[in-house]
Amino acid sequence: GAVVSQHPSWVICKSGTSVKIECRSLDFQATTMFWYRQFPKQSLMLMATSNEGSKATYEQGVEKDKFLINHASLTLSTLTVTSAHPEDSSFYICSARDPGTSELYNEQFFGPGTRLTVL
Amino acid sequence: GDSVTQMEGPVTLSEEAFLTINCTYTATGYPSLFWYVQYPGEGLQLLLKATKADDKGSNKGFEATYRKETTSFHLEKGSVQVSDSAVYFCALVQAGTALIFGKGTTLSVSS
Repeated sequence: GAVVSQHPSWVICKSGTSVKIECRSLDFQATTMFWYRQFPKQSLMLMATSNEGSKATYEQGVEKDKFLINHASLTLSTLTVTSAHPEDSSFYICSARDPGTSELYNEQFFGPGTRLTVL
Repeated sequence: GDSVTQMEGPVTLSEEAFLTINCTYTATGYPSLFWYVQYPGEGLQLLLKATKADDKGSNKGFEATYRKETTSFHLEKGSVQVSDSAVYFCALVQAGTALIFGKGTTLSVSS
C-alpha cells in the first residue's frame, strides 16, 4: 500500500519555541492530507484538511494562527506549532489520500505520528 | 453529523478467546467503513475495510461485515493472541471528507 512518512518521530522543545512537523507521501501524489491530534488514551481529533496549493481548512476550535499548515507540493505537507506551550504536547498524526487508488474506497494512509513534548 | 460509536474498553481476554468489538455508525449517504489498529507508541495501521453494504473485510484473522440495516461494523476474531493487544478504532469516511473515528477500544490479551 501507499506509504506516508513523518519527521521527526519525536521532538522535545522549550515553551515559546516553534516546531515544524513534516508529512510526506513517499510513492504517490497526495492532493489532500489531513492532520490529527491524539491525546493519551483518546481518539484522533481532526485538526485540519490540507489541500495542495490552497489554504488549509481548519476544524472548529483549532487555532489557525497557532497551527500553521502548508501543503506546498503534492508530496509534502507541514504542520508548524508556533509558540508552543506544554498544553500543545500531544501525538500528531498525518494522513494522505492517494487519488490513484483510494477514490473508490476513500481510504487514507497514515504516517507513524510525531510525539511532541513541550517543556 | 456523521459519527461512530464503539464499545468502551478496556477489553481483557485470555489467549485463544473469541473477540467482538462493537461498532455502530450514523451517517448520511453510503460511507466506507474501516477498522484501524494502533500498537503502543505507533501510528495507525489499516486492519480491514468495507465499502458497501454486506461487504466483509478480513485480515490477520479479523473480520467485520458492513451491515446497513443495523448500521454496524462489528470486529471479530475467533482466537486472539497476545500480539493482538492494541487499541482498535472503528472509522467511517464519505467521499471527499476526512475519516471520522470512534473513541477507540483497548484490547489486552494475556497468556
